Amino acid sequence: DAKTTQPNSMESNEEEPVHLPCNHSTISGTDYIHWYRQLPSQGPEYVIHGLTSNVNNRMASLAIAEDRKSSTLILHRATLRDAAVYYCILRDVSTGNQFYFGTGTSLTVIP
Amino acid sequence: NAGVMQNPRHLVRRRGQEARLRCSPMKGHSHVYWYRQLPEEGLKFMVYLQKENIIDESGMPKERFSAEFPKEGPSILRIQQVVRGDSAAYFCASSPINSYGYTFGSGTRLTVV
Repeated sequence: DAKTTQPNSMESNEEEPVHLPCNHSTISGTDYIHWYRQLPSQGPEYVIHGLTSNVNNRMASLAIAEDRKSSTLILHRATLRDAAVYYCILRDVSTGNQFYFGTGTSLTVIP
Repeated sequence: NAGVMQNPRHLVRRRGQEARLRCSPMKGHSHVYWYRQLPEEGLKFMVYLQKENIIDESGMPKERFSAEFPKEGPSILRIQQVVRGDSAAYFCASSPINSYGYTFGSGTRLTVV
């Protein structure tokens, strides 16, 4: 499985934008980039996913580099409820439906 | 539309006992995945099942662990003769066919004493 690299932790002030980076230099052409987050004592929840183009939804935006070797999850205005571990995951559905989680980035939001 | 339901939420077992963890997928979802999360660690894939079939069990420990997803009823993750190292949060997720993503349950926290 293609590997991703994320910072262990990040901090953000409340109501400011947050940019969570992810490096995936060995990404293949058929790998989708997925982001999940896990709030304390809960199961992971889907945030966003993309293949080549930038994506927006009600939760976040996903910016994908032109060479696809990196991506950035953007939370436009961090709230205290956004404090969680954010996982960047690559998945190639042609080789299986499974997700393989790394260690993620622990985001702390400062009031 | 209920989400993925896992029960029990908390389970305490003595060493050597059996643990049975249940997962009811979302309505219409035919794929189930089990993950284990040790304290302060990320989620580790264990097994991927469809109705009556194990598709990928590459993450399952070779001994004491088994999983099933029968035609009727919930998926079951069974751990025989539990040891302290089995203490973890066990998460189940489900998806429909050819879906881009999963829906996770809230997990079962197993404590072995």
